[in-house]
Amino acid sequence: ETGVTQTPRHLVMGMTNKKSLKCEQHLGHNAMYWYKQSAKKPLELMFVYSLEERVENNSVPSRFSPECPNSSHLFLHLHTLQPEDSALYLCASSPQGNTEAFFGQGTRLTVV
Amino acid sequence: GENVEQHPSTLSVQEGDSAVIKCTYSDSASNYFPWYKQELGKRPQLIIDIRSNVGEKKDQRIAVTLNKTAKHFSLHITETQPEDSAVYFCAARGGFQKLVFGTGTRLLVSP
Repeated sequence: ETGVTQTPRHLVMGMTNKKSLKCEQHLGHNAMYWYKQSAKKPLELMFVYSLEERVENNSVPSRFSPECPNSSHLFLHLHTLQPEDSALYLCASSPQGNTEAFFGQGTRLTVV
Repeated sequence: GENVEQHPSTLSVQEGDSAVIKCTYSDSASNYFPWYKQELGKRPQLIIDIRSNVGEKKDQRIAVTLNKTAKHFSLHITETQPEDSAVYFCAARGGFQKLVFGTGTRLLVSP
Protein backbone atom coordinates (compact mmCIF):
# COMPACT_ATOMS: atom_id res chain seq x y z
CA GLU A 1 0.00 0.00 0.00
CA THR A 2 1.59 3.25 -1.15
CA GLY A 3 -1.07 5.69 0.04
CA VAL A 4 -2.17 6.46 -3.52
CA THR A 5 -5.66 5.15 -4.24
CA GLN A 6 -7.26 4.88 -7.65
CA THR A 7 -10.90 4.19 -8.43
CA PRO A 8 -12.38 2.34 -10.13
CA ARG A 9 -9.97 -0.57 -10.49
CA HIS A 10 -11.68 -1.75 -13.67
CA LEU A 11 -13.82 0.14 -16.18
CA VAL A 12 -15.50 -0.93 -19.37
CA MET A 13 -16.97 1.86 -21.44
CA GLY A 14 -18.46 2.36 -24.85
CA MET A 15 -16.99 4.80 -27.31
CA THR A 16 -19.79 7.30 -26.75
CA ASN A 17 -19.69 7.20 -22.95
CA LYS A 18 -18.28 9.76 -20.55
CA LYS A 19 -16.51 8.50 -17.46
CA SER A 20 -13.94 9.73 -14.94
CA LEU A 21 -10.99 8.11 -13.22
CA LYS A 22 -10.12 9.25 -9.73
CA CYS A 23 -6.83 9.36 -7.86
CA GLU A 24 -6.45 10.31 -4.22
CA GLN A 25 -3.48 10.71 -1.91
CA HIS A 26 -3.18 12.05 1.61
CA LEU A 27 0.59 11.91 1.80
CA GLY A 28 1.07 15.66 1.53
CA HIS A 29 2.55 15.31 -1.93
CA ASN A 30 2.16 18.25 -4.29
CA ALA A 31 3.09 16.71 -7.65
CA MET A 32 0.68 14.28 -9.31
CA TYR A 33 0.93 12.36 -12.56
CA TRP A 34 -1.17 10.37 -15.00
CA TYR A 35 0.55 7.58 -16.94
CA LYS A 36 -0.81 5.26 -19.58
CA GLN A 37 0.56 1.73 -19.58
CA SER A 38 0.06 -0.47 -22.62
CA ALA A 39 2.01 -3.19 -24.36
CA LYS A 40 3.11 -0.67 -26.99
CA LYS A 41 4.35 2.06 -24.61
CA PRO A 42 4.97 0.67 -21.18
CA LEU A 43 4.87 3.86 -19.05
CA GLU A 44 3.80 6.83 -21.10
CA LEU A 45 3.59 10.15 -19.28
CA MET A 46 0.31 11.92 -19.98
CA PHE A 47 -0.04 14.81 -17.54
CA VAL A 48 1.88 16.36 -14.66
CA TYR A 49 0.42 18.65 -12.02
CA SER A 50 2.70 20.54 -9.68
CA LEU A 51 1.11 22.54 -6.88
CA GLU A 52 -2.27 22.02 -8.59
CA GLU A 53 -1.08 23.59 -11.85
CA ARG A 54 -0.75 21.52 -14.99
CA VAL A 55 2.87 21.71 -16.02
CA GLU A 56 2.92 19.05 -18.69
CA ASN A 57 0.49 17.89 -21.33
CA ASN A 58 2.38 15.34 -23.30
CA SER A 59 0.53 15.71 -26.62
CA VAL A 60 -2.45 13.85 -25.24
CA PRO A 61 -5.66 13.89 -27.33
CA SER A 62 -8.40 16.18 -26.06
CA ARG A 63 -10.69 13.22 -25.36
CA PHE A 64 -8.62 12.94 -22.16
CA SER A 65 -9.17 15.87 -19.80
CA PRO A 66 -7.36 16.05 -16.46
CA GLU A 67 -8.52 17.95 -13.42
CA CYS A 68 -6.71 18.68 -10.17
CA PRO A 69 -9.14 20.45 -7.80
CA ASN A 70 -6.71 20.28 -4.87
CA SER A 71 -3.37 18.75 -4.00
CA SER A 72 -4.95 15.49 -2.79
CA HIS A 73 -7.14 14.66 -5.77
CA LEU A 74 -6.58 14.11 -9.45
CA PHE A 75 -9.16 13.16 -12.04
CA LEU A 76 -8.99 12.01 -15.62
CA HIS A 77 -12.20 12.72 -17.52
CA LEU A 78 -12.78 10.51 -20.53
CA HIS A 79 -15.13 10.94 -23.44
CA THR A 80 -15.53 9.53 -26.95
CA LEU A 81 -12.59 7.21 -26.46
CA GLN A 82 -11.27 4.81 -29.06
CA PRO A 83 -10.56 1.08 -28.63
CA GLU A 84 -6.80 1.85 -28.78
CA ASP A 85 -7.22 3.86 -25.57
CA SER A 86 -7.75 0.58 -23.72
CA ALA A 87 -4.87 0.34 -21.24
CA LEU A 88 -3.89 0.51 -17.59
CA TYR A 89 -4.02 4.09 -16.34
CA LEU A 90 -1.67 4.74 -13.45
CA CYS A 91 -1.67 7.72 -11.13
CA ALA A 92 1.42 8.67 -9.15
CA SER A 93 2.32 11.36 -6.66
CA SER A 94 5.52 12.71 -5.18
CA PRO A 95 6.74 15.47 -2.91
CA GLN A 96 8.45 18.43 -4.53
CA GLY A 97 12.06 17.88 -5.34
CA ASN A 98 14.07 14.82 -6.17
CA THR A 99 12.25 12.10 -4.33
CA GLU A 100 10.33 8.94 -5.02
CA ALA A 101 7.05 8.90 -6.90
CA PHE A 102 4.44 6.52 -5.47
CA PHE A 103 2.04 4.76 -7.79
CA GLY A 104 -1.57 3.80 -7.33
CA GLN A 105 -2.75 0.35 -8.38
CA GLY A 106 -4.15 1.64 -11.63
CA THR A 107 -7.45 1.53 -13.46
CA ARG A 108 -7.76 -1.13 -16.15
CA LEU A 109 -9.78 0.56 -18.89
CA THR A 110 -11.43 -1.30 -21.74
CA VAL A 111 -13.11 0.66 -24.52
CA VAL A 112 -15.63 -1.33 -26.52
CA GLY B 1 11.61 17.44 -23.69
CA GLU B 2 13.25 14.56 -21.89
CA ASN B 3 13.66 11.26 -23.73
CA VAL B 4 14.82 8.12 -21.93
CA GLU B 5 16.04 5.05 -23.79
CA GLN B 6 16.46 1.68 -22.08
CA HIS B 7 18.23 -1.51 -23.15
CA PRO B 8 17.84 -4.41 -23.40
CA SER B 9 14.09 -4.91 -23.71
CA THR B 10 14.41 -8.48 -22.45
CA LEU B 11 17.15 -10.15 -20.43
CA SER B 12 17.40 -13.80 -19.46
CA VAL B 13 19.96 -14.95 -16.91
CA GLN B 14 20.65 -18.00 -14.79
CA GLU B 15 20.15 -17.79 -11.06
CA GLY B 16 23.30 -16.43 -9.45
CA ASP B 17 24.42 -14.49 -12.52
CA SER B 18 24.58 -10.70 -12.68
CA ALA B 19 22.17 -8.57 -14.70
CA VAL B 20 22.86 -5.11 -16.11
CA ILE B 21 20.28 -2.74 -17.56
CA LYS B 22 21.33 0.50 -19.24
CA CYS B 23 19.55 3.79 -19.82
CA THR B 24 20.38 7.04 -21.55
CA TYR B 25 18.63 10.38 -21.17
CA SER B 26 18.58 13.51 -23.27
CA ASP B 27 17.92 16.45 -20.93
CA SER B 28 21.13 17.59 -19.25
CA ALA B 29 18.99 19.36 -16.62
CA SER B 30 17.68 16.04 -15.30
CA ASN B 31 18.99 15.43 -11.81
CA TYR B 32 17.10 12.50 -10.33
CA PHE B 33 17.20 8.93 -11.66
CA PRO B 34 15.01 6.27 -10.03
CA TRP B 35 14.63 2.61 -10.92
CA TYR B 36 11.31 0.84 -10.51
CA LYS B 37 10.40 -2.84 -10.44
CA GLN B 38 6.99 -3.96 -11.64
CA GLU B 39 5.83 -7.50 -10.95
CA LEU B 40 2.99 -8.98 -12.95
CA GLY B 41 -0.32 -7.39 -12.07
CA LYS B 42 1.22 -4.98 -9.59
CA ARG B 43 2.14 -1.31 -9.51
CA PRO B 44 5.70 -0.12 -10.18
CA GLN B 45 7.71 0.23 -6.99
CA LEU B 46 10.98 2.04 -6.37
CA ILE B 47 13.98 -0.18 -5.78
CA ILE B 48 16.82 2.33 -5.87
CA ASP B 49 17.47 5.90 -6.96
CA ILE B 50 20.41 8.20 -7.54
CA ARG B 51 20.79 11.94 -7.63
CA SER B 52 23.03 13.86 -9.96
CA ASN B 53 25.61 14.75 -7.31
CA VAL B 54 26.46 11.06 -6.81
CA GLY B 55 28.18 8.66 -9.21
CA GLU B 56 27.27 5.35 -7.65
CA LYS B 57 24.90 3.96 -5.03
CA LYS B 58 24.55 0.44 -3.69
CA ASP B 59 21.88 -1.34 -1.68
CA GLN B 60 22.67 -4.99 -0.96
CA ARG B 61 22.50 -6.83 -4.32
CA ILE B 62 21.52 -3.84 -6.40
CA ALA B 63 23.60 -0.88 -7.48
CA VAL B 64 23.16 2.06 -9.78
CA THR B 65 25.85 4.06 -11.57
CA LEU B 66 25.46 7.48 -13.17
CA ASN B 67 27.65 9.13 -15.78
CA LYS B 68 26.38 12.69 -16.14
CA THR B 69 28.83 13.60 -18.87
CA ALA B 70 27.67 10.76 -21.09
CA LYS B 71 24.06 11.05 -19.84
CA HIS B 72 23.70 7.40 -19.02
CA PHE B 73 22.95 5.36 -15.95
CA SER B 74 22.82 1.66 -15.26
CA LEU B 75 21.26 -0.83 -12.86
CA HIS B 76 23.33 -3.76 -11.68
CA ILE B 77 21.82 -6.76 -9.93
CA THR B 78 24.24 -9.34 -8.55
CA GLU B 79 23.52 -12.91 -7.44
CA THR B 80 20.16 -12.87 -9.17
CA GLN B 81 17.30 -14.92 -7.77
CA PRO B 82 14.06 -16.12 -9.40
CA GLU B 83 12.12 -13.52 -7.40
CA ASP B 84 14.08 -10.80 -9.22
CA SER B 85 12.08 -11.72 -12.34
CA ALA B 86 9.98 -8.67 -13.24
CA VAL B 87 9.92 -5.65 -15.53
CA TYR B 88 12.39 -2.94 -14.57
CA PHE B 89 11.97 0.71 -15.55
CA CYS B 90 14.50 3.49 -15.40
CA ALA B 91 13.36 7.11 -15.23
CA ALA B 92 14.72 10.64 -15.27
CA ARG B 93 13.29 13.73 -13.67
CA GLY B 94 14.10 17.19 -14.88
CA GLY B 95 12.29 20.49 -14.71
CA PHE B 96 8.70 20.94 -13.51
CA GLN B 97 8.69 17.57 -11.76
CA LYS B 98 8.41 15.80 -15.12
CA LEU B 99 9.26 12.12 -14.54
CA VAL B 100 9.88 10.27 -17.80
CA PHE B 101 10.31 6.50 -17.94
CA GLY B 102 12.24 4.22 -20.22
CA THR B 103 10.51 1.46 -22.15
CA GLY B 104 11.24 -1.24 -19.60
CA THR B 105 13.35 -4.40 -19.41
CA ARG B 106 11.76 -7.76 -18.81
CA LEU B 107 14.18 -9.73 -16.64
CA LEU B 108 13.78 -13.48 -16.40
CA VAL B 109 15.91 -15.36 -13.86
CA SER B 110 15.90 -19.11 -14.41
CA PRO B 111 16.58 -21.49 -11.51
